Amino acid sequence: ETGVTQTPRHLVMGMTNKKSLKCEQHLGHNAMYWYKQSAKKPLELMFVYNFKEQTENNSVPSRFSPECPNSSHLFLHLHTLQPEDSALYLCASSQEGSQPGTQYFGPGTRLTVL
Amino acid sequence: AQSVTQLGSHVSVSEGALVLLRCNYSSSVPPYLFWYVQYPNQGLQLLLKYTSAATLVKGINGFEAEFKKSETSFHLTKPSAHMSDAAEYFCAVQAAGNKLTFGGGTRVLVKP
Repeated sequence: ETGVTQTPRHLVMGMTNKKSLKCEQHLGHNAMYWYKQSAKKPLELMFVYNFKEQTENNSVPSRFSPECPNSSHLFLHLHTLQPEDSALYLCASSQEGSQPGTQYFGPGTRLTVL
Repeated sequence: AQSVTQLGSHVSVSEGALVLLRCNYSSSVPPYLFWYVQYPNQGLQLLLKYTSAATLVKGINGFEAEFKKSETSFHLTKPSAHMSDAAEYFCAVQAAGNKLTFGGGTRVLVKP
């Protein structure tokens, strides 16, 4: 595998379910990101991890819980979501400290909340 | 603070015609600038980036962009559109740190 991979690619869940999105980067980077892409809205940065430490949380509701066990893996745990959380969730990685720290994106997980 | 404005949420071009996508930015420090492309049901793919080495930047798939500091612009062009260029294009600015700020995106439709 090369680049940034995300699983699953599609997910349908009810509002009471608990599910997790997984991201893995094979680029040797040390920073990882979660973005939300909704229809007719700009890309929204949700979380940033540098060297496994969360450095940014853009006022994301607590029903979204990120986890970064190592610099190659990033998870987004989901619970009691709302229909308005339906969106494409994108993961990205970059090399913190390089200039510029170009971000490389995964293919995304299309989430539908019923 | 930094921001990006992409003029036109939709652009329609004929196959073989010039593609021009406009991007204007604001940044309090010299920025790095990026163009990404997103095909349906896919993630964002890096097209090209400006890192202050040269004002005219060439990217993949025949695209190029010119950084104009006086106009705070980074417009994307391709001389001859191909059907495979139909996608959504995002301009982004990076100032301090690795945080990217994206424009709203421009969807390109290519007519045969």
